[in-house]
Amino acid sequence: DVKVTQSSRYLVKRTGEKVFLECVQDMDHENMFWYRQDPGLGLRLIYFSYDVKMKEKGDIPEGYSVSREKKERFSLILESASTNQTSMYLCASGRLAGRLKQFFGPGTRLTVL
Amino acid sequence: KNQVEQSPQSLIILEGKNCTLQCNYTVSPFSNLRWYKQDTGRGPVSLTIMTFSENTKSNGRYTATLDADTKQSSLHITASQLSDSASYICVSFIYGGSQGNLIFGKGTKLSVKP
Repeated sequence: DVKVTQSSRYLVKRTGEKVFLECVQDMDHENMFWYRQDPGLGLRLIYFSYDVKMKEKGDIPEGYSVSREKKERFSLILESASTNQTSMYLCASGRLAGRLKQFFGPGTRLTVL
Repeated sequence: KNQVEQSPQSLIILEGKNCTLQCNYTVSPFSNLRWYKQDTGRGPVSLTIMTFSENTKSNGRYTATLDADTKQSSLHITASQLSDSASYICVSFIYGGSQGNLIFGKGTKLSVKP
């Protein structure tokens, strides 16, 4: 069974802290994505990666960075967490192909106090 | 501007009833459109994909349609069950764009009541 796992389901951090969210997939997918999901706004792309060490900005990259040192792992970093980064964060992976079916992780609900 | 709009925002129906969710897409060049189901507290899961040449596709009690002329897709749920309560998200992929060119709708939240 295909699987995308995220390091935490729930996380509470303080303003200014550095936050690491990790995502691991076991399907050998080239593409990996980080989204945030907020009520009324839907899923918004933060960053994606189509290969190891490659990254592309999505729609809302400000305040975030990413790291992809290995094919199966894609990390999202909040350099200095702020309250407006309180959200549900979803990781996804998919094969490099036109139909691009994405497999999503369970999500991390991050609260920044 | 490429965009995907879903309606209604939310919907409440009684168990056993049918319902239809709508997705209007304005994307170019269009490649395909996928429907996802997202249970509360979980990540989205793909239900079906519709390409330019496909009009109708069924997956159990779910039937998706695509009208390329009007740029509309619908997801019809037959004989709804309590487990159908979820958000349904429509996503369009732009062919020829970067792999990040997925245009997401904001979703329809469906509640099925006993």
